[in-house]
Formats: sequence, C-alpha cells, structure tokens
Amino acid sequence: AQSVTQLGSHVSVSEGALVLLRCNYSSSVPPYLFWYVQYPNQGLQLLLKYTTGATLVKGINGFEAEFKKSETSFHLTKPSAHMSDAAEYFCAVRRFSGNTPLVFGKGTRLSVIA
Amino acid sequence: DTEVTQTPKHLVMGMTNKKSLKCEQHMGHRAMYWYKQKAKKPPELMFVYSYEKLSINESVPSRFSPECPNSSLLNLHLHALQPEDSALYLCASSPFLAGEGEQYFGPGTRLTVT
Repeated sequence: AQSVTQLGSHVSVSEGALVLLRCNYSSSVPPYLFWYVQYPNQGLQLLLKYTTGATLVKGINGFEAEFKKSETSFHLTKPSAHMSDAAEYFCAVRRFSGNTPLVFGKGTRLSVIA
Repeated sequence: DTEVTQTPKHLVMGMTNKKSLKCEQHMGHRAMYWYKQKAKKPPELMFVYSYEKLSINESVPSRFSPECPNSSLLNLHLHALQPEDSALYLCASSPFLAGEGEQYFGPGTRLTVT
C-alpha cells in the first residue's frame, strides 16, 4: 500500500527566505505524486503534480518539487516566501495502476514571519 | 470550467434532523469523492463514485448516505448525526478513478451538529 510522510507538522520561515517542505513516499509501484495547498476555511488547491517524465516539476505561485526515486522523496520548495504562502500543505500519492484514490500525508502548516 | 461547487457553505443541524449536502461539477469527470476533514488534520476519504456507481465506502457509518443521481451531481444525505460528526465536508472530482488526473476540490461545507 502506498503512503506519504511529511516531516514537520509546522514550518516557520521569514518573508523572502527559502521554503522547503519535506515529503517522502512509500509505494511498491511507480507513484503519481501531488502537492496541495489549503488556505483557512477553503478547499484544497493543486500546486503541482508528478506523473512521468521530467523529475523537476514546476507549479503555481512559484513552487516547484523534485521527484527523487533513489531517496523516495518529493520535497516542495519556493525560493522566496511571501506572506500569502501561509497555509496548510498536503503531499499526496496515488498508485500508477489500479483504481486507487489519493492518500494524503498529515500536512505541514507553513507560517511566514514578516 | 475547472470548478467544483458545494452547497450549502455552512450547515447547523440537530441530532434528529435530516439534511443533505450537494456537490456539482461540469468538467465531465467520471469519479467523484466525499471527504471529511477535522481541524488540523488531512482529509479522510469517505466515499468514491466511479461512473455513477459506488466504488469505495471507507466503512462510513450508515447515518451518512451518498447518492450520485447523474455524472455531474453528488449528494451526501445526513441523518441522526452525532456532535463528533461536526467537520468540514469536502467534495472532489477527477477525470477517472485511476490514472494521473488530479482531484479538484470544492470549497467544502462546514457542518456543525448540535
């Protein structure tokens, strides 16, 4: 069965600093990987996804993530944090084959300090 | 149109009431999902419909009853709920249950059971 582990339930960065949110996956077959963001009292919005092909994936709002099979990781980064990036971030995995829904990590709350 | 709509936005109901949550998408997606999300937790999968047939029921209590009248609509009927059922209920859709397509989420219904 597939799963994801998000390291750090809360990450705090200064405005303008690098954002790094960590996600490691466990899957017996090639996975599809996703990062979602959730602002307070809202639904989840897709930031980016990895399916096949290029391992460096660019998403919305300046975020990107790199799929590293050797490290089973899919960490999310942004070079310069904005106050508007403060939100909850979820990593999710789905199996390459079969009728399987997304499996979410526990989430990481990002705080941005002025 | 990449929008999933949910009504109502907020719902307060007593433990003896019957109410329904509604979800709609017009993206031609054939998979639709209900999730329950408690504060500071990831979404928990409740039900999945694929081609208007119930595909996954994550052992949800019978006081929650899903319905998929057509390929664009998904309902969640509520009856005799408990205070611990208070949560944000999210609807999502994806092109298919399998494959690389991401899930699109609605804004959610904030349910309070008194």
